[in-house]
Amino acid sequence: DGGITQSPKYLFRKEGQNVTLSCEQNLNHDAMYWYRQDPGQGLRLIYYSQIVNDFQKGDIAEGYSVSREKKESFPLTVTSAQKNPTAFYLCASARGPDNYGYTFGSGTRLTVV
Amino acid sequence: GDSVTQMEGPVTLSEEAFLTINCTYTATGYPSLFWYVQYPGEGLQLLLKATKADDKGSNKGFEATYRKETTSFHLEKGSVQVSDSAVYFCALSEGDYGGSQGNLIFGKGTKLSVKP
Repeated sequence: DGGITQSPKYLFRKEGQNVTLSCEQNLNHDAMYWYRQDPGQGLRLIYYSQIVNDFQKGDIAEGYSVSREKKESFPLTVTSAQKNPTAFYLCASARGPDNYGYTFGSGTRLTVV
Repeated sequence: GDSVTQMEGPVTLSEEAFLTINCTYTATGYPSLFWYVQYPGEGLQLLLKATKADDKGSNKGFEATYRKETTSFHLEKGSVQVSDSAVYFCALSEGDYGGSQGNLIFGKGTKLSVKP
């Protein structure tokens, strides 16, 4: 079955370290997205990519970086410049120019220790 | 810019009660509208959608009608179950219906708790 996979499910990071969250999809979707969710809060867009080798900043891109070298993969790096990285991170993908909405992964919970 | 406003939660209901979660939107074009559901510790799942005015989306007993005149997309269910306890997000896609989909804009979510 096609889907979108995020790994790991739980991640612990020491202060000052960079960490990379994985997001892989086998849905043949063109567009991919990264969101951050804090407790009791909605979703905030970090980065998105509509096509391979291209990506745009979302509303809260500072302290994060991404790459889109393959259609299937859109990894997110949380850098040491992100002052408050503890959150639930969600990856999503979409077919592109249609109205079917997004498919979400199951999320990665990042905790700074 | 475009935006989505949902009723604040949490909403607590008894099993078999009627559910309404209000959602209104602001958009310059003719967006598509969506409801997503998030169970604890999981990602979001698409619950239902509507792509043009007067369309009704439905799934698993949930319904929502795209009302252009009131810019609303309220979620309803006639008889909720304990298993419906989750957070519900209303969202819109920028851009004209039937055309290219822009990024989704989400409301802040409404937490629903159903008691037996």
